[in-house]
Amino acid sequence: QQPVQSPQAVILREGEDAVINCSSSKALYSVHWYRQKHGEAPVFLMILLKGGEQKGHEKISASFNEKKQQSSLYLTASQLSYSGTYFCGTGGSGAGSYQLTFGKGTKLSVIP
Amino acid sequence: NAGVTQTPKFQVLKTGQSMTLQCAQDMNHEYMSWYRQDPGMGLRLIHYSVGAGITDQGEVPNGYNVSRSTTEDFPLRLLSAAPSQTSVYFCASSKGTGMNTEAFFGQGTRLTVV
Repeated sequence: QQPVQSPQAVILREGEDAVINCSSSKALYSVHWYRQKHGEAPVFLMILLKGGEQKGHEKISASFNEKKQQSSLYLTASQLSYSGTYFCGTGGSGAGSYQLTFGKGTKLSVIP
Repeated sequence: NAGVTQTPKFQVLKTGQSMTLQCAQDMNHEYMSWYRQDPGMGLRLIHYSVGAGITDQGEVPNGYNVSRSTTEDFPLRLLSAAPSQTSVYFCASSKGTGMNTEAFFGQGTRLTVV
């Protein structure tokens, strides 16, 4: 079952902040975040793991609330290069589950 | 390092034809997967594999077959193409089980079924 992302789309001016949310109906082992630019492949941003470990890079942060089965991606002081569609992926929900399931995406547009 | 390589990049099929989308990775990753991407639907998992000889179904497996005879290759077969299979297909690979490591995506195959 796909996680639910909100909002579906957001428009920002350079320098503004944004939050993208991701929620799941299943218990989660990990939450992944990717960004996809038009006509390109998705590119990894970060992973948050159950227990609090976070792996990632770039000046973008995220949180993972295991009890609520939710994650949020925080983009601060947005740049034009942040434009694209952001996907959260949820993994490992359930013993022996190796499905990385993505949401429908959030389209972010940053304008000058 | 080539990473994940998908071929072909574009393909047009007639309804009922069969074909194989190729995916190869040179990173010695255990986990490989296939997604389809349709407008407004995000990335939907078709099939995945946690190692050579092991495959399993994802969310939308109907009409597709996979096999994993080597660590490097994970081809996706369309048995009898239908217009509903018009989509962009992405192959991805990761270390381990794929649940706690970065997924590397290929550049995609844009398939049109007429």
